[in-house]
Amino acid sequence: DAGVIQSPRHEVTEMGQEVTLRCKPISGHNSLFWYRQTMMRGLELLIYFNNNVPIDDSGMPEDRFSAKMPNASFSTLKIQPSEPRDSAVYFCASSFQDRFSGNTIYFGEGSWLTVV
Amino acid sequence: AQSVTQPDIHITVSEGASLELRCNYSYGATPYLFWYVQSPGQGLQLLLKYFSGDTLVQGIKGFEAEFKRSQSSFNLRKPSVHWSDAAEYFCAVLNDYKLSFGAGTTVTVRA
Repeated sequence: DAGVIQSPRHEVTEMGQEVTLRCKPISGHNSLFWYRQTMMRGLELLIYFNNNVPIDDSGMPEDRFSAKMPNASFSTLKIQPSEPRDSAVYFCASSFQDRFSGNTIYFGEGSWLTVV
Repeated sequence: AQSVTQPDIHITVSEGASLELRCNYSYGATPYLFWYVQSPGQGLQLLLKYFSGDTLVQGIKGFEAEFKRSQSSFNLRKPSVHWSDAAEYFCAVLNDYKLSFGAGTTVTVRA
């Protein structure tokens, strides 16, 4: 079975440019997460969708960041304009949430972003 | 608030030796606990999980972990380490929908 698929795997962009990261969750999963990994802060949750609806976006750093989930099989995380401090690994993850499954969360391979 | 502590930032172990990575959690109810592994340049791979039942859980790649409620711990073990086990290991606790991660332990394997 295909896991969580993210693109691009690596991106180098100039400060001020728009960056769009893409994610295809595991088929049948009803929850999607965007995490960011940095040396300083470790792994932190940016936003959580359930049934395509944003439930918790308290981790989104600022207005430059936005995320959408137009359907159950696709999500985007956009940074506009990008800044060097946004350089990080961005992980998309998905799960099927119900009170019986235990909510195991599966991660993609990550999008490694460098803003110069 | 729930949290996870991994006391060891870096561990070096010889190939073939045993490995134990420590994880302590702070959580009021019975936690859902996970161990993930991240190889260099790779994503997070689930090693094993504990939800309930048997406190000794088996995972992939020969790893196991033991949940000890009295010690609020969920330590990861492997009897004999292979060079390919060199990676960063993360313990995590699930609260509702949110995974809270420890800071990670980097494992170096020497020949």
